[in-house]
Amino acid sequence: RKEVEQDPGPFNVPEGATVAFNCTYSNSASQSFFWYRQDCRKEPKLLMSVYSSGNEDGRFTAQLNRASQYISLLIRDSKLSDSATYLCVVTPVDKLSFGAGTTVTVRA
Amino acid sequence: EPEVTQTPSHQVTQMGQEVILRCVPISNHLYFYWYRQILGQKVEFLVSFYNNEISEKSEIFDDQFSVERPDGSNFTLKIRSTKLEDSAMYFCATDQGALTSPKTDTQYFGPGTRLTVL
Repeated sequence: RKEVEQDPGPFNVPEGATVAFNCTYSNSASQSFFWYRQDCRKEPKLLMSVYSSGNEDGRFTAQLNRASQYISLLIRDSKLSDSATYLCVVTPVDKLSFGAGTTVTVRA
Repeated sequence: EPEVTQTPSHQVTQMGQEVILRCVPISNHLYFYWYRQILGQKVEFLVSFYNNEISEKSEIFDDQFSVERPDGSNFTLKIRSTKLEDSAMYFCATDQGALTSPKTDTQYFGPGTRLTVL
């Protein structure tokens, strides 16, 4: 089983739509959880950390379910600039384990 | 805003040659990492480095790879004898942890070095 699994998408949504996707992780000892964003051929950039209580940052909402070992990201009121690959990241030990990414394309 | 820098942005080399990729971490960060991303694939952990020694490495990080911090500022990744399959984007990352605070697991990535092995 892969350490981090994500639905690759692509999710193709119109501007203003809501899009949500999940990721699952295999190591129950994972301590920290993040969503990173990666634009084509660029470095991953931290979007937000994910906490058990759920957290929101503007139009982005992240949830963590430790019992089921999944993480979710919801994007409200999608903008063209949200088009990117979203990487689910967990930290089982002293490193980041990345999912393969979920591609989101927001169309005008 | 402080940022991680990497040089060169693109390196082309012949198979069997040695390459050194350089990273300048955010100042006062003490935890350093190298990751690689083969085109079209996920980001993969290579090695973590703290207090002038490797703290963890992946199975990818074999004897052909080495890291060091030669002058207290640069953090380098050396590949001794490059292979075609080493062609990838190599990212350096640093953690906010400092002398007076624990590692946070929040890592900041440099822009990457694209390595092409011919």
